Amino acid sequence: GAVVSQHPSRVICKSGTSVKIECRSLDFQATTMFWYRQFPKQSLMLMATSNEGSKATYEQGVEKDKFLINHASLTLSTLTVTSAHPEDSSFYICSARVVSGADNEQFFGPGTRLTVL
Amino acid sequence: QKEVEQNSGPLSVPEGAIASLNCTYSDRGSQSFFWYRQYSGKSPELIMSIYSNGDKEDGRFTAQLNKASQYVSLLIRDSQPSDSATYLCAVNMGSGNTPLVFGKGTRLSVIA
Repeated sequence: GAVVSQHPSRVICKSGTSVKIECRSLDFQATTMFWYRQFPKQSLMLMATSNEGSKATYEQGVEKDKFLINHASLTLSTLTVTSAHPEDSSFYICSARVVSGADNEQFFGPGTRLTVL
Repeated sequence: QKEVEQNSGPLSVPEGAIASLNCTYSDRGSQSFFWYRQYSGKSPELIMSIYSNGDKEDGRFTAQLNKASQYVSLLIRDSQPSDSATYLCAVNMGSGNTPLVFGKGTRLSVIA
């Protein structure tokens, strides 16, 4: 399957700082990427849909000014958690879709574990 | 409301047995269906995709789709302890770049 990478894999930061997470599609171009968050023992929660060259579409309840998404190229999307607080500590996972004819498989990056102290 | 329903489990099966995971979805017009495996602390991994009614086999995995019943299943033959994970059913209920709708997952435990 297609490969999606994320960086960093783990980050620990102080409350009030901003953290940027990068998501790259390594062997394909992705016009759309998706950002998810997952708390321990809970389900995946879609945060936003990131479209190359346009504004992201945020899910209800996700603050767009706190979670800044930029999809500047067909292989890179970034999520910046601004002024992070302990309640933002979570597992952030990006995903990208490969569209080939009728097929449209979606692949996940390895995730970024954020801990805010 | 677009929904994907899965039994949360845990589903326990002995090593070597067949594990059967089930999923129902709400949108009759859905065309694309996926099974992901997620180990604890890791991100989901795509293991099967299915687009047409019937069975699709890949190694020990078989996905089954019945669009009339709005039902999709995953069979794991010769289950191994390494198959112990949470299995997520996901459905594309739209077109283009519509986000997948995920079930909450079924936790599978394969007992050696």
